[in-house]
Amino acid sequence: GAGVSQSPRYKVAKRGQDVALRCDPISGHVSLFWYQQALGQGPEFLTYFQNEAQLDKSGLPSDRFFAERPEGSVSTLKIQRTQQEDSAVYLCASSASGRVYNEQFFGPGTRLTVL
Amino acid sequence: EDKVVQSPLSLVVHEGDTVTLNCSYEVTNFRSLLWYKQEKKAPTFLFMLTSSGIEKKSGRLSSILDKKELFSILNITATQTGDSAIYLCAFYQGAQKLVFGQGTRLTINP
Repeated sequence: GAGVSQSPRYKVAKRGQDVALRCDPISGHVSLFWYQQALGQGPEFLTYFQNEAQLDKSGLPSDRFFAERPEGSVSTLKIQRTQQEDSAVYLCASSASGRVYNEQFFGPGTRLTVL
Repeated sequence: EDKVVQSPLSLVVHEGDTVTLNCSYEVTNFRSLLWYKQEKKAPTFLFMLTSSGIEKKSGRLSSILDKKELFSILNITATQTGDSAIYLCAFYQGAQKLVFGQGTRLTINP
């Protein structure tokens, strides 16, 4: 594809609901990343995939957060039993290969608001 | 603990001014520093700096890294309203994980 796409762009959830956020990386990109960006802050790393393998999930804030990339392309970030502190923009990024220190290309993000 | 600190957090200038944004870092195994521009959408890549003292330039934007004093600057000359954005610097922690600063919110007034 032309760039990283994410859906939905905006999501409003009631506290306690489950949400699923989708990321379509650039076609052929091996690595995929999820970041969380709170208002007025820089993005914070959540998790990283190389193809379908989740190699680093050290940034996931709790066991309510789960990410998958079953076929090595599209990824889904799921948040169970959402809390107000989960309100943030969730950014997805992809990079061309599994080599280190590659430029990461970001999607437009999903803005999640938990009421 | 590895960290990156950006300053100022917010800056308002007039169109045509030159601005300098700062990024200082403390990183155990430093590899490279990156600058991104974020408008109301995806952060877009500007520069990746690995070597000290070598300026990278793209149009009116330029950036340089000082590995001795542990900082980088991003310069924008002849600013335009389209330069209004949040500018983020980041470093790699490990091979793939980017750690970002808080960002500098730049506003260019006509």
